[in-house]
Amino acid sequence: GQNIDQPTEMTATEGAIVQINCTYQTSGFNGLFWYQQHAGEAPTFLSYNVLDGLEEKGRFSSFLSRSKGYSYLLLKELQMKDSASYLCALALNTGFQKLVFGTGTRLLVSP
Amino acid sequence: DAGITQSPRYKITETGRQVTLMCHQTWSHSYMFWYRQDLGHGLRLIYYSAAADITDKGEVPDGYVVSRSKTENFPLTLESATRSQTSVYFCASSGSPLGGAGELFFGEGSRLTVL
Repeated sequence: GQNIDQPTEMTATEGAIVQINCTYQTSGFNGLFWYQQHAGEAPTFLSYNVLDGLEEKGRFSSFLSRSKGYSYLLLKELQMKDSASYLCALALNTGFQKLVFGTGTRLLVSP
Repeated sequence: DAGITQSPRYKITETGRQVTLMCHQTWSHSYMFWYRQDLGHGLRLIYYSAAADITDKGEVPDGYVVSRSKTENFPLTLESATRSQTSVYFCASSGSPLGGAGELFFGEGSRLTVL
C-alpha cells in the first residue's frame, strides 16, 4: 500500500511565499502530481514530477526527492485566489494507470 | 468545447434506490475514472476504464457498478444506495497513461445525498 501525508490546513498572507509538503511511503510510483481544488469545484492540474528536483511553472514550483519520500509545492507572491486545497497524488506503477491522492492541504490566504 | 460533463450535478435519493451518475467526455480520451471525495479521505478511486469494454476496480468499488460501451460515456450506478455513499463523485479522463504525465481532467462533480 501507500501512505500520503499532507498538513490539513495552512494560512499565509497575500504576497508571501508558502511551502506545502507531501510525504509518502510507497513501493513504487511513476511520478507525483499536484492538483489545485477551489471549494465546490473540480481539481485542476498544477504540476507533475518524475525526476528528483525542482519543476518551475510561473509562481508555482514543485519539488521531488524520491530517496527521501518527499515532495513540496511552493507558491510565490500569494494572491487571494490561491486560497484552495492542494492535493498531492502518486501515479502508481501497478501495470495500469492509477492515481492515488492525499487528503489535501487547505490553504487560506489572508490580506 | 464541452470537455467532460457530469449529470446530475445534485441528487437526493433514499436508501435502497438505484442511482446512476452519468459522465460524458468529448475528447475521445481512452482512460476514464470515477472518484469519490469525502472529508478526511480525499479522493478515492472507485472504478476506472482503459477503453471501451475494459473496466476494473479501484480502492472502493463495493456497491458500485460501471459500464463503458462507448468511449465517451462512463456511467456509475449505485445498485442499492446506502447512507455511506453520500459523497461528491468526480468523473475524470486522461488521454495518455498517467505515468507519462497524462494529467487527469475532472468533471464538475455530482453531489449525492442518500437519506
